[in-house]
Amino acid sequence: SQQGEEDPQALSIQEGENATMNCSYKTSINNLQWYRQNSGRGLVHLILIRSNEREKHSGRLRVTLDTSKKSSSLLITASRAADTASYFCATDAPGAGSYQLTFGKGTKLSVIP
Amino acid sequence: EPEVTQTPSHQVTQMGQEVILRCVPISNHLYFYWYRQILGQKVEFLVSFYNNEISEKSEIFDDQFSVERPDGSNFTLKIRSTKLEDSAMYFCASSEGNSFMRCTFGSGTRLTVV
Repeated sequence: SQQGEEDPQALSIQEGENATMNCSYKTSINNLQWYRQNSGRGLVHLILIRSNEREKHSGRLRVTLDTSKKSSSLLITASRAADTASYFCATDAPGAGSYQLTFGKGTKLSVIP
Repeated sequence: EPEVTQTPSHQVTQMGQEVILRCVPISNHLYFYWYRQILGQKVEFLVSFYNNEISEKSEIFDDQFSVERPDGSNFTLKIRSTKLEDSAMYFCASSEGNSFMRCTFGSGTRLTVV
């Protein structure tokens, strides 16, 4: 089964609009994290939401988590051209020894100036 | 903000050669990781390392791979005999703890096997 599947796969918006990306997962999680990756570059941590949290904000980012639906969303408000990147959700599973993050395929966001 | 540093940023190697990818994790972090991303595909977990030993490894991390923390600051990934399919971006990461903790990733080493 696939853990951490984002949709849409690609999203193109105008600068100033809001961008919403979704992530679904299949197994129980400890945390869900969102990362950004500029083309060919490293992964930048954006925000972490714990399994007992429902919503979290950080600047222009808003993350929601619905554990009953096993889904999360990342909202970027008032988008800027510099937000153009791929966005990945990553989950880690509960239980001793579960150190690994499982990433989704990502949403490629293009913000048009 | 503290960073995870990886060197080199790009390495080209002949098939069958050994490569060592180097990483300097954040100094007060205790958990270290290697991930890889084949072009256009998902980021995949390879291995986690804690207290000088492997904590967890994936199916990808076979006998051709090894990790080492040789001197208390560096964390290395060695691929003994590279294959074409080892071509990927390799990311090192570190975290303070193993749960409820953000993972800080390096900017990656792009390995090209020819």
